[in-house]
Amino acid sequence: DGGITQSPKYLFRKEGQNVTLSCEQNLNHDAMYWYRQDPGQGLRLIYYSQIVNDFQKGDIAEGYSVSREKKESFPLTVTSAQKNPTAFYLCASSIGAGQPQHFGDGTRLSIL
Amino acid sequence: AQSVTQLGSHVSVSEGALVLLRCNYSSSVPPYLFWYVQYPNQGLQLLLKYTSAATLVKGINGFEAEFKKSETSFHLTKPSAHMSDAAEYFCAVSPGFQKLVFGTGTRLLVSP
Repeated sequence: DGGITQSPKYLFRKEGQNVTLSCEQNLNHDAMYWYRQDPGQGLRLIYYSQIVNDFQKGDIAEGYSVSREKKESFPLTVTSAQKNPTAFYLCASSIGAGQPQHFGDGTRLSIL
Repeated sequence: AQSVTQLGSHVSVSEGALVLLRCNYSSSVPPYLFWYVQYPNQGLQLLLKYTSAATLVKGINGFEAEFKKSETSFHLTKPSAHMSDAAEYFCAVSPGFQKLVFGTGTRLLVSP
């Protein structure tokens, strides 16, 4: 079955450390997205990519970086510059911008 | 700018009662509208979508929503709540072919 796979499900970060969250899709979708979810704040867009080798900042990109070297993969790095990284991170993909998005099951990041 | 307002962060109903979750949007162009459901520690699942065809949209699990342009609303309803409907629900808007903008979510509580 096609879908989106996020790994790991739980991740712990030490102070000053960069961590990378994986997102892989086999839906043949062009567009991919990263969201951060905090209680009571809904989903906030971090980065999105509409095509391979191209990506744009979302509303809260500071302290995060991404790459899109392959259509299937859109990894997110949470850098040490992100001072409050504890959150639930969701990856999504769609055929194109504005179309229904399909979501992975998320990665919960916590600080040690 | 496009935005979505979900009235009520929590809605409580009894099993068998009508479910009504409210969503109002603002968009400068005819929008695409979506409702998603999220169960604990999972990603979002598409319930239904409005893309300028019929104004009454039927989705999965017995949910439906009506697009009312004059009221800029897209409220989600279900005639009879089931315990398994307890989850968080998100309304989202996409003006044209732009990326999605999500509301802050409404948590539905269902009591026996």
